[in-house]
Amino acid sequence: DGGITQSPKYLFRKEGQNVTLSCEQNLNHDAMYWYRQDPGQGLRLIYYSQIVNDFQKGDIAEGYSVSREKKESFPLTVTSAQKNPTAFYLCASSIQGASSVQYFGPGTRLTVT
Amino acid sequence: RKEVEQDPGPFNVPEGATVAFNCTYSNSASQSFFWYRQDCRKEPKLLMSVYSSGNEDGRFTAQLNRASQYISLLIRDSKLSDSATYLCVVNLLGESGGSYIPTFGRGTSLIVHP
Repeated sequence: DGGITQSPKYLFRKEGQNVTLSCEQNLNHDAMYWYRQDPGQGLRLIYYSQIVNDFQKGDIAEGYSVSREKKESFPLTVTSAQKNPTAFYLCASSIQGASSVQYFGPGTRLTVT
Repeated sequence: RKEVEQDPGPFNVPEGATVAFNCTYSNSASQSFFWYRQDCRKEPKLLMSVYSSGNEDGRFTAQLNRASQYISLLIRDSKLSDSATYLCVVNLLGESGGSYIPTFGRGTSLIVHP
């Protein structure tokens, strides 16, 4: 089965702790993305990567970090510097190009107290 | 000004109604356009791509108006199961100029009632 997996589905952390969200795809897509969604809001781009070992900041990168050591994997770390980390985090992947369609993982709902 | 704008709604319609959503975009260099559907607490899923000539998939019709910089989605004969948030997506050339970045509208909520 081809697709994108994110784990865990729900994650709870105490304030001040770093937490890493997993995203894996077996679609052989070059591009991968991380979005954040708050209740009643659209998706905001955190980071994206078009190729292994390279990534760019999106609109709201502060307080987050990523790595892209393998084509299949694009983990996101929510650091203690992120002021409001509680949100729904979505990972997506696509082929490259102007007409590329994104495919999403099921998301991780992070709650920080 | 936001790059992709949608009326958040909600649009409250009875079963069987026809409903239309618009989405405006600010960057005339935008290349590709899509409609996604997102159910509550789930990930977005592609509903349809939007082509210059317009396209239809069953009860759903998507149109692109490049001159006025908007795309539209028309749903005919609404079903209860159409209740969801509909996200407009526009692929914009990134600041580095090397790749196209999907930009999402905040979504339009549709509620279909019996």
